[in-house]
Amino acid sequence: QQQVKQSPQSLIVQKGGIPIINCAYENTAFDYFPWYQQFPGKGPALLIAIRPDVSEKKEGRFTISFNKSAKQFSLHIMDSQPGDSATYFCAVRRGLLSARQLTFGSGTQLTVLP
Amino acid sequence: NAGVTQTPKFRVLKTGQSMTLLCAQDMNHEYMYWYRQDPGMGLRLIHYSVGEGTTAKGEVPDGYNVSRLKKQNFLLGLESAAPSQTSVYFCASREDRTNQPQHFGDGTRLSIL
Repeated sequence: QQQVKQSPQSLIVQKGGIPIINCAYENTAFDYFPWYQQFPGKGPALLIAIRPDVSEKKEGRFTISFNKSAKQFSLHIMDSQPGDSATYFCAVRRGLLSARQLTFGSGTQLTVLP
Repeated sequence: NAGVTQTPKFRVLKTGQSMTLLCAQDMNHEYMYWYRQDPGMGLRLIHYSVGEGTTAKGEVPDGYNVSRLKKQNFLLGLESAAPSQTSVYFCASREDRTNQPQHFGDGTRLSIL
């Protein structure tokens, strides 16, 4: 049972472009929606996260858009740079009773061309 | 400031062999997790712990055992390795406060021949 579906699997953009990565979920009990960034040979690291009571959150060049009624959320990277080339994972989190477990999407490999 | 340290970084095993992966964190975190990462499947939770002396099953626990005898260490064991367990294994830890992120180690790449 796939609790979160992530698309696309891979994405190539030119420097300065705005890549968008999408995630869709089924369970309305999720209470936290983070995005993790992973560089080759490294573990994932939290990039940005949103709670379901807001529709958008910006941190620098990274923006999460959240659509609660559609059960979808997306990551936008403004003015993308070659250094943003990495794999991005969305995740959904269950509440305290489940030890705040994260369920991850399948990942999107982003390449930003110079 | 080491954070989360995983050992070893690489290992090759033969089918049927056993081994233990070690995860150590120096952030005094209560929660610790073991994931496996396979191409196209993201990270899947194997086992987790909410504190010293506790463990619980995640999404894909079969074939693995864990122990958390000390708060800073979380061990993942493979009793009889199988080729299907070839993967990259990540450990993570998290502070027991609302909306704190999971901090990941750099992974152990394990190949089972």
